[in-house]
Amino acid sequence: NAGVTQTPKFRVLKTGQSMTLLCAQDMNHEYMYWYRQDPGMGLRLIHYSVGEGTTAKGEVPDGYNVSRLKKQNFLLGLESAAPSQTSVYFCASRGSNPGQENEQFFGPGTRLTVL
Amino acid sequence: EDQVTQSPEALRLQEGESSSLNCSYTVSGLRGLFWYRQDPGKGPEFLFTLYSAGEEKEKERLKATLTKKESFLHITAPKPEDSATYLCAVQSAAGGYNKLIFGAGTRLAVHP
Repeated sequence: NAGVTQTPKFRVLKTGQSMTLLCAQDMNHEYMYWYRQDPGMGLRLIHYSVGEGTTAKGEVPDGYNVSRLKKQNFLLGLESAAPSQTSVYFCASRGSNPGQENEQFFGPGTRLTVL
Repeated sequence: EDQVTQSPEALRLQEGESSSLNCSYTVSGLRGLFWYRQDPGKGPEFLFTLYSAGEEKEKERLKATLTKKESFLHITAPKPEDSATYLCAVQSAAGGYNKLIFGAGTRLAVHP
């Protein structure tokens, strides 16, 4: 099993450009999450999904959109990138069975720079 | 407001020198407290979940403990491979299972 994978690993954008980050998991997990990690700050939740076709806002959703068309994939979109969105983005997933509620499995991250 | 503060920000140890990392939290009804390990350039890796004051969990050289206001991650006789950033996170009753509040982490460096 590959676990949680993210593409791309690195990306440089110019202000105003758009892009989509892809997260895929092969563990049949119901729940998926997008976080951003900035120096000196904890991971912050951007958006999450409790199942295929559903999405919900997290702590810092502005400037981002998400979609969960397939259970195994969770997409994070930036419609008009801003320098403040320079960050490392992590995707995570977790199962829904008893005992799985608390452990989130993280992907390797995408390092995004917006010039 | 739910909040997690980790200290110190960075810690340098000699191999074999035991120490503790601190995670202080304020939360409206603790559902769970989590410790993760993060290696440079990688995603966090789950270590422990603690649910109630007095609970302890161990894994190799790591031991996590929990009180009503803080958690400690004790590292006994650390080795260079224990070097990483250790993250603490909490889940509140109000936030539910889907919202983890993370601290900024403690960067641990263990030198031979």
